[in-house]
Amino acid sequence: AQSVTQLDSQVPVFEEAPVELRCNYSSSVSVYLFWYVQYPNQGLQLLLKYLSGSTLVKGINGFEAEFNKSQTSFHLRKPSVHISDTAEYFCAVSYNTDKLIFGTGTRLQVFP
Amino acid sequence: DTGVSQDPRHKITKRGQNVTFRCDPISEHNRLYWYRQTLGQGPEFLTYFQNEAQLEKSRLLSDRFSAERPKGSFSTLEIQRTEQGDSAMYLCASSPYYQDTQYFGPGTRLTVL
Repeated sequence: AQSVTQLDSQVPVFEEAPVELRCNYSSSVSVYLFWYVQYPNQGLQLLLKYLSGSTLVKGINGFEAEFNKSQTSFHLRKPSVHISDTAEYFCAVSYNTDKLIFGTGTRLQVFP
Repeated sequence: DTGVSQDPRHKITKRGQNVTFRCDPISEHNRLYWYRQTLGQGPEFLTYFQNEAQLEKSRLLSDRFSAERPKGSFSTLEIQRTEQGDSAMYLCASSPYYQDTQYFGPGTRLTVL
């Protein structure tokens, strides 16, 4: 069975500082990996995805993530955050373009 | 491309009442998914359709829940005899059959009093 663990429920950070949101997954088969962002009272928006190929994936809004198969991780990073990045971030896994299995989310709070 | 739309955006109902939600996917998207998100949790898969065929249902989808996609376009999710535990955000997503990205709607927030 597949599962996703987001180790940090909240991450406070000052504006222009770097940030890393951690995600680990568990699966016995190859999976696709995703990061979604959810702003208050809105649906989920795709930030980036890993399907195959290069393990470093670049997404929108300056975010990137690195797939590490040996550590079964897919951590999300941004070198310099903005106030507007304050939101809930969800890591998700799917198998063969099927349903998404989400982690519990990490709330990123950016302070001025 | 107008995105995935959901109606209503908010629904307040009394325990025991039936409610129905509608999702309009991005046109020509063959796959349509329903998820439920409770406070402080990530979305949980409920069911999905490929065209009009319902291909998978989660065990979270009790007998009180039913979903349809009669013509392979819009979908409805009905909850009968609502319970307070049904209070949640119900999210709909769609994707083209041959792709992997699911595009989410804004959700319907259900409050059961």
